[in-house]
Amino acid sequence: ETGVTQTPRHLVMGMTNKKSLKCEQHLGHNAMYWYKQSAKKPLELMFVYNFKEQTENNSVPSRFSPECPNSSHLFLHLHTLQPEDSALYLCASSQGVRETQYFGPGTRLLVL
Amino acid sequence: AQKITQTQPGMFVQEKEAVTLDCTYDTSDQSYGLFWYKQPSSGEMIFLIYQGSYDEQNATEGRYSLNFQKARKSANLVISASQLGDSAMYFCAMSINYGQNFVFGPGTRLSVLP
Repeated sequence: ETGVTQTPRHLVMGMTNKKSLKCEQHLGHNAMYWYKQSAKKPLELMFVYNFKEQTENNSVPSRFSPECPNSSHLFLHLHTLQPEDSALYLCASSQGVRETQYFGPGTRLLVL
Repeated sequence: AQKITQTQPGMFVQEKEAVTLDCTYDTSDQSYGLFWYKQPSSGEMIFLIYQGSYDEQNATEGRYSLNFQKARKSANLVISASQLGDSAMYFCAMSINYGQNFVFGPGTRLSVLP
């Protein structure tokens, strides 16, 4: 398997549920990212990890909790989400934090 | 603050013709990178082309070329010989030397007509 993979591809959850999104990269990269893409809004950077250390948190609500156990895996733990959190969540990786980012296919999340 | 502007929300082009997608950027840094990504309806962001701020020649990748005009702070994407499969959203993005943000523009939806 190559590139950046994300699971699940689609997720429907209630506001009281707890779920996790998973991202895995097979490119040997050192940096990983979570983005949120809502309809009719620019892509929003949520979190940046470089060598497993979180280096960026763009004022993301605490109901989103990232985890990076190693340079190849990135998780986004979700709890008590709101309907406005429904969006496409994209994971990306890059060799270094300024370099070309390669994206996964995304997880389409619907919060009811 | 760094900012990317894409003034064309939507563009139409006839199959086999060339099309230019506009991108202007704003940064006070001297060292930065400019990127174009394609996002089909499936959702995946596909990297197309990269231009470094110190690169003297315009980047090219197959049918994609980047018209880099540093003084005007523009980095337009040119797609030659458009194909139906080029229909997608196209995003211009920028990375800067001392920040870790990767800033994206709002995107341009390109529709290729048969």
